[in-house]
Amino acid sequence: QKEVEQNSGPLSVPEGAIASLNCTYSDRGSQSFFWYRQYSGKSPELIMSIYSNGDKEDGRFTAQLNKASQYVSLLIRDSQPSDSATYLCAVNIRTYKYIFGTGTRLKVLA
Amino acid sequence: ETGVTQTPRHLVMGMTNKKSLKCEQHLGHNAMYWYKQSAKKPLELMFVYSLEERVENNSVPSRFSPECPNSSHLFLHLHTLQPEDSALYLCASSQEEGASSYEQYFGPGTRLTVT
Repeated sequence: QKEVEQNSGPLSVPEGAIASLNCTYSDRGSQSFFWYRQYSGKSPELIMSIYSNGDKEDGRFTAQLNKASQYVSLLIRDSQPSDSATYLCAVNIRTYKYIFGTGTRLKVLA
Repeated sequence: ETGVTQTPRHLVMGMTNKKSLKCEQHLGHNAMYWYKQSAKKPLELMFVYSLEERVENNSVPSRFSPECPNSSHLFLHLHTLQPEDSALYLCASSQEEGASSYEQYFGPGTRLTVT
């Protein structure tokens, strides 16, 4: 079974801190990795994609990929209360096949 | 309209009703997807269409019937549903086959309640 695992949380961080969200995956052949943000009652919104080992930065977000350890992470700098949401990790294991984790709920405390 | 749109946004139906969900993508993508999202569960892939041809069908009950008349439109026809089918139904699209990225974009979803 191809799996993507995330800690369900909630992960609570104070406003202005760095939030660190982690994801592991089981399929070594996976090539594409994504982070989505989902507010309660809304649909997933793509915030980051990463395809090669290392870091990728976009504004306050940094995605990190380590294929040898089968590990993807998302760092959110200067966390804001508006970042409070569920963050979904998704892995593209082959054409048309995306596996999602159950998500980590993030709470940013004002 | 931009991105991926879905109608209706909310739907309440009885177990004997027939209804349809509609999805339209304005991104020029060549693949469209139906997902089911239930509480505490990861997104479940239901169907995938690539250029109007179904390429994935993940053991979905026959009471769900997809239709893809062209590369921009996707329907999910519903009949004789069960209460456990109540969920958020999400449509998504992506560019596959030779794309430089494989980002998948979601519509706003249809919240379905089966009574």
